[in-house]
Amino acid sequence: SQTIHQWPATLVQPVGSPLSLECTVEGTSNPNLYWYRQAAGRGLQLLFYSVGIGQISSEVPQNLSASRPQDRQFILSSKKLLLSDSGFYLCAWSLKWVNTQYFGPGTRLTVL
Amino acid sequence: GENVEQHPSTLSVQEGDSAVIKCTYSDSASNYFPWYKQELGKRPQLIIDIRSNVGEKKDQRIAVTLNKTAKHFSLHITETQPEDSAVYFCAAHRDYGGSQGNLIFGKGTKLSVKP
Repeated sequence: SQTIHQWPATLVQPVGSPLSLECTVEGTSNPNLYWYRQAAGRGLQLLFYSVGIGQISSEVPQNLSASRPQDRQFILSSKKLLLSDSGFYLCAWSLKWVNTQYFGPGTRLTVL
Repeated sequence: GENVEQHPSTLSVQEGDSAVIKCTYSDSASNYFPWYKQELGKRPQLIIDIRSNVGEKKDQRIAVTLNKTAKHFSLHITETQPEDSAVYFCAAHRDYGGSQGNLIFGKGTKLSVKP
């Protein structure tokens, strides 16, 4: 069966520091991958999605970037964090040709 | 692009009562409508979904109905229990062809079930 991992689970970072969040999927090949952000008490905002290695689409202009160096690895990065980057970051995956998305456990990021 | 409106934003019911959450979507080409449940501090979990070729789907105490003409779909929870308390998100998916398509989420409904 498929599983999705995210780390770290929680992170506290100062403003202006860099960020790297990692997501990996097991048990499937060539999935679609997604990064979402959820501000406290708010909905799900799609940040990036990827249909394959090196293929990244951005939904919202911001100081974040994403990369997919391997088939089942998705990385969210920032060179300089802002206070507004605080939130719950969720990675998700779906099979090609199937619409259902499954979420990872999330990373709770606090920028101070 | 697709837009999904979800109502109500908060819903409080007594244990044993039914709860209904409604969503409307704007893009008539949308063809897949999942519902997710998110408990506090946890990831969203898929609880039920429906495709555009089906009008209703049921799974024990949970059901989803779809009205393609009116472009709205609803989640029905019967015999609510305290463990049903969570935030529920609806979503709509538009198939762009090939393997790509994205989910557009509603803003969520916080359901509280009082014992």
